[in-house]
Amino acid sequence: DTEVTQTPKHLVMGMTNKKSLKCEQHMGHRAMYWYKQKAKKPPELMFVYSYEKLSINESVPSRFSPECPNSSLLNLHLHALQPEDSALYLCASSQDIRAGFYNEQFFGPGTRLTVL
Amino acid sequence: SQQGEEDPQALSIQEGENATMNCSYKTSINNLQWYRQNSGRGLVHLILIRSNEREKHSGRLRVTLDTSKKSSSLLITASRAADTASYFCATVPIQGAQKLVFGQGTRLTINP
Repeated sequence: DTEVTQTPKHLVMGMTNKKSLKCEQHMGHRAMYWYKQKAKKPPELMFVYSYEKLSINESVPSRFSPECPNSSLLNLHLHALQPEDSALYLCASSQDIRAGFYNEQFFGPGTRLTVL
Repeated sequence: SQQGEEDPQALSIQEGENATMNCSYKTSINNLQWYRQNSGRGLVHLILIRSNEREKHSGRLRVTLDTSKKSSSLLITASRAADTASYFCATVPIQGAQKLVFGQGTRLTINP
């Protein structure tokens, strides 16, 4: 299974809502990522988990809260978002992020988030 | 931060023609990767070239890497309508965090 799945595909939420994005992979990868992508722009890295521990936080606002319950699952908890947070949120995984690995990443289809 | 620059930003060609996209980067790299993204979808890994390699082929794809010029090119031969997508190069730095640094992307349109 070389697939990364993400749910939901689409999400519309108000600025006072709390919601979560979910990501799952069964490739035995030990690195998982969240990216944010605006239209016609490249993905922007938000968080990296390595062996279920937060490895990189790219100075993301605290209204985004990542969680890695186990090696196959990655969540992104959303609270008090702003309209400018509307974007495509992509999850990805790779075998390992440590030096010596090539870090080829497998991406999920994304969640299209709209904040009203 | 996005260190890569890709050109052209947009490319429109006829089906059957070859498409060439270029990517430049700023720091020393471990490897360079190319990804394709269909509109509003996730990215698909196409090919990876290591810093000690100069050229790599995969089907209709040919990638070159010139580390002295800090540049790479992606050639798609005999293009098809299904190749219409955005193409991103991404580098993995040789030092520091092993994360992908994406270029700005090239939007490729293949006209039937």
